[in-house]
Amino acid sequence: AQSVTQLGSHVSVSEGALVLLRCNYSSSVPPYLFWYVQYPNQGLQLLLKYTTGATLVKGINGFEAEFKKSETSFHLTKPSAHMSDAAEYFCAVTNTGNQFYFGTGTSLTVIP
Amino acid sequence: GAVVSQHPSWVICKSGTSVKIECRSLDFQATTMFWYRQFPKQSLMLMATSNEGSKATYEQGVEKDKFLINHASLTLSTLTVTSAHPEDSSFYICSAGGHSQPPYFGAGTRLSVL
Repeated sequence: AQSVTQLGSHVSVSEGALVLLRCNYSSSVPPYLFWYVQYPNQGLQLLLKYTTGATLVKGINGFEAEFKKSETSFHLTKPSAHMSDAAEYFCAVTNTGNQFYFGTGTSLTVIP
Repeated sequence: GAVVSQHPSWVICKSGTSVKIECRSLDFQATTMFWYRQFPKQSLMLMATSNEGSKATYEQGVEKDKFLINHASLTLSTLTVTSAHPEDSSFYICSAGGHSQPPYFGAGTRLSVL
């Protein structure tokens, strides 16, 4: 069975500050891990994904995430928050590449 | 990147009517498509998985007779909400994926049933 836990349903950071969104997963097989961003009334946009290889993954808009098997984590970070980063962020896990299991989401607020 | 088009983006209908939502993969063949439902401030819940040319697989608790899914071609899947009621009001999102593609998501359809 697979599942994802996102710690913190709401995160607020100041503009220019570090963004850290937490994601822990549970999987009985090597997982594929994803981060998606959702803006109001829109679908999901892929930020980045980890499948195999390098454990530090860089995505769009300056985001990156590190796969840590020992900690079963895939936290999302960005060195400097921008106002346009305010959105809902979802972590997801799959082992088939198709059927996804999503976390409950983290709402990011950026304070000017 | 790959594009998935979902239509309509917003639909308002009267209770008892049926509503069809389309999900198209625009630049790749999608052997598998997924339909999700999202309530306000909540995560996505998988409703069903459809494979081109075969019957959809529904998640537990999802009424297959209410949410009809058709995946007749490699580029189009449709979700029909039959005899919609206010409790069916929600945000519906599709995703499309092929054997070598990660799933890409449509922009979603907001259904409001009066």
